Amino acid sequence: EPEVTQTPSHQVTQMGQEVILRCVPISNHLYFYWYRQILGQKVEFLVSFYNNEISEKSEIFDDQFSVERPDGSNFTLKIRSTKLEDSAMYFCASSDPGRTEAFFGQGTRLTVV
Amino acid sequence: QKEVEQNSGPLSVPEGAIASLNCTYSDRGSQSFFWYRQYSGKSPELIMFIYSNGDKEDGRFTAQLNKASQYVSLLIRDSQPSDSATYLCAVKRGTGTASKLTFGTGTRLQVTL
Repeated sequence: EPEVTQTPSHQVTQMGQEVILRCVPISNHLYFYWYRQILGQKVEFLVSFYNNEISEKSEIFDDQFSVERPDGSNFTLKIRSTKLEDSAMYFCASSDPGRTEAFFGQGTRLTVV
Repeated sequence: QKEVEQNSGPLSVPEGAIASLNCTYSDRGSQSFFWYRQYSGKSPELIMFIYSNGDKEDGRFTAQLNKASQYVSLLIRDSQPSDSATYLCAVKRGTGTASKLTFGTGTRLQVTL
């Protein structure tokens, strides 16, 4: 069964460093998303991406964040100048434009120290 | 007012019983409604979705939607210990679009032997 894959599964970084989280969406999907979940809190939307541009972004997704689809398969989330409060699980998701449901990757646990 | 509200639980049911999970939402523009299951430290896993008023059944799971009351529920029949997880309710404004999912905080279900 096709699935969304994310790498790395766990990333530890020092405060102030830049990190890139990578995702390979399901191959025939065209809508891509990033969500995050701080430990013990709800899953929060960050950004959606379609046709090589951002469709929607939340208040969380400020200038510190950026997304890119560098090639035909990868979808990345870059976090510049990481802060302690960026520590969270980051989930990539994708969906097919003909269907309503989105499927999540297994997540990247980001720990900022 | 929270956008998507769920009782955090834990909801404890004996094995073989019916578990009933509830969710209310505030955005009347919501068109699609989802139930995800999340095991501790894992990503959300789609159980089912619904966008028409009434019931939708899939195996042991039944989703119920009442748009007038802004209420969604999930029934799990013949509950098993493996159903013990956090159940996330999520809503979306569109169908088949890049609209974001808005999640509740989840209800923790414990199925006891």
